[in-house]
Amino acid sequence: QSVLTQPPSVSGAPGQRVTISCTGSSSNIGAGYNVHWYQQLPGTAPKLLIYDNNNRPSGVPDRFSGSKSGTSASLAITGLQAEDEADYYCQSYDSSLSGYVEFGGGTKLTVL
Amino acid sequence: QVQLVQSGAEVRKPGASVKVSCKASRYTFTSYAIHWVRQAPGQRLEWMGWINNGNGNTIYSPKFQDRVTITRDTSATTAYMELRSLRSEDTAVYYCARGFRPKDSFDPWGQGTLVTVSS
Repeated sequence: QSVLTQPPSVSGAPGQRVTISCTGSSSNIGAGYNVHWYQQLPGTAPKLLIYDNNNRPSGVPDRFSGSKSGTSASLAITGLQAEDEADYYCQSYDSSLSGYVEFGGGTKLTVL
Repeated sequence: QVQLVQSGAEVRKPGASVKVSCKASRYTFTSYAIHWVRQAPGQRLEWMGWINNGNGNTIYSPKFQDRVTITRDTSATTAYMELRSLRSEDTAVYYCARGFRPKDSFDPWGQGTLVTVSS
């Protein structure tokens, strides 16, 4: 069971906007620790998509954006494209004894 | 560009150990940490631990504390992760990733190493 909770799946048609939530607690996101997001295409390693809540690494399209409020964070994808179909994971630090670095359970994005 | 290249797939019997390597290139190895993350088939990412390549200090996840050792060879710009007392539940893809502290993001990641534990 993940310390960070994500919906197992989301879907949207090409061109639409979807959001993926990441819900934590007072020992991780709510404690002020940053949230990072990764995209994992089938059969490949995760790729950094958003760091420190709302920053995009060089080369990541501005269709991807992140936000954080309270004990939750969200990843938004606008102008959905077929190549966005992937698994998305949030990551944060946890100050409890659970294990320091925590990942969400992952969300499968399906482009209809 | 910055690159992490991992060693190839491994097959081990239950109770054995495995050591996976992660060769870094095109950046100053000792200025960054290396983290190890695993992913069992169809499962979420799971952080195992990290090594500060500057001073060699390590921190492990409590779940793996008694079975994992992470080391590095600065002359070879390579980090290693050894997992002992393997069981079938350890069958997973093991990734290394560059980062700083555990609070920070990981970028880039190695290509992954499949470790299969089977009798």
